Amino acid sequence: EPEVTQTPSHQVTQMGQEVILRCVPISNHLYFYWYRQILGQKVEFLVSFYNNEISEKSEIFDDQFSVERPDGSNFTLKIRSTKLEDSAMYFCASGGLAIYTGELFFGEGSRLTVL
Amino acid sequence: AQSVSQHNHHVILSEAASLELGCNYSYGGTVNLFWYVQYPGQHLQLLLKYFSEDPLVKGIKGFEAEFIKSKFSFNLRKPSVQWSDTAEYFCAVNPSGAGSYQLTFGKGTKLSVIP
Repeated sequence: EPEVTQTPSHQVTQMGQEVILRCVPISNHLYFYWYRQILGQKVEFLVSFYNNEISEKSEIFDDQFSVERPDGSNFTLKIRSTKLEDSAMYFCASGGLAIYTGELFFGEGSRLTVL
Repeated sequence: AQSVSQHNHHVILSEAASLELGCNYSYGGTVNLFWYVQYPGQHLQLLLKYFSEDPLVKGIKGFEAEFIKSKFSFNLRKPSVQWSDTAEYFCAVNPSGAGSYQLTFGKGTKLSVIP
């Protein structure tokens, strides 16, 4: 069964460092997303990406965040200068074939710990 | 903006007991509704979804949910739970036809099933 894969599974970084989280979505999907879940809190939407551009982003997704799909397979989330409050589990998801169906397929997450 | 409320933070049941997890949403227009499940150590996966068809939706593993528009509710049910149903359950909403691709999640309900 096709699945969304994420790397790394866990990253520890110092405050102020840049972090790149990588995702390989399901190959024929067209919609790509990043969500995050701070420990004990709800899963929050960060950004959606369609047709090689951001289609929606939340208030959380400020100038410190960026996304790219550099090579048609990987989908990356970059945090330019990490803050303590960026510590969370980051989930990549993909969905949709020709028509958006709303069903998302999630990766197992990348846990980011900022010290 | 839409929001989702899940009433129970943690539910503990014995095997064979019946389950009902509450979910209410707030949004003025038509919506697509979802229940996702996260088994321990695994990724979020879709349990069932409502897309403007029969308000009683059947999902995988014997789960079902009923959309009651007048109550803005989408409660999840299972007549007889098993130990393997131990997981965290997330209700989510997406405004249909609004050109939005994001899911708004509830805080989740942790279900513990005692053998």
